[in-house]
Amino acid sequence: KAGVTQTPRYLIKTRGQQVTLSCSPISGHRSVSWYQQTPGQGLQFLFEYFSETQRNKGNFPGRFSGRQFSNSRSEMNVSTLELGDSALYLCASSETQGGVYNEQFFGPGTRLTVL
Amino acid sequence: DAKTTQPTSMDCAEGRAANLPCNHSTISGNEYVYWYRQIHSQGPQYIIHGLKNNETNEMASLIITEDRKSSTLILPHATLRDTAVYYCIVRDDSWGKLQFGAGTQVVVTP
Repeated sequence: KAGVTQTPRYLIKTRGQQVTLSCSPISGHRSVSWYQQTPGQGLQFLFEYFSETQRNKGNFPGRFSGRQFSNSRSEMNVSTLELGDSALYLCASSETQGGVYNEQFFGPGTRLTVL
Repeated sequence: DAKTTQPTSMDCAEGRAANLPCNHSTISGNEYVYWYRQIHSQGPQYIIHGLKNNETNEMASLIITEDRKSSTLILPHATLRDTAVYYCIVRDDSWGKLQFGAGTQVVVTP
């Protein structure tokens, strides 16, 4: 099976712009989670989607949003970009939501730089 | 707040066993211990998880103390490709999110 894919891999934006990142989960996986990784804060959970519904949300401002489509693909959007949004954005997929053997498989990430 | 405490870094000689400690003194009865690692510039990779029994798979072994307040991840024969940041996570398995701490930077040297 192909792994989790994320596009684009690298992105440069300027402050005030918005950005949309895409994640394609492993075939058959229905849950997609998003994480932000920065040198200062480490890996932080953004949100999780399952069956097109947001099931969990981390402590991020409303500028960060996401959605999931019927084919389980997911997008996250960041509006009004700030310098501090520069980070590696990681997507992870799993077969279901929660569960003992529900390991998460991570994609390579999208490196966002805000100038 | 991270629920785990790990050493910031550790070195290991190639071919030797690497023993990575993790303290999770506030773990509750329904929380599992998970280990992930992140090789530079890649997404985190699942290694192993357990509740209270010791676990072993093709990558590593997980030893959990009887009181479940600490655990040790063992890489039996470290290779240079095991150089990575290793994260110990406690997780209530009803929730999907993983709460990462700072992890341990493991450097395997020839």
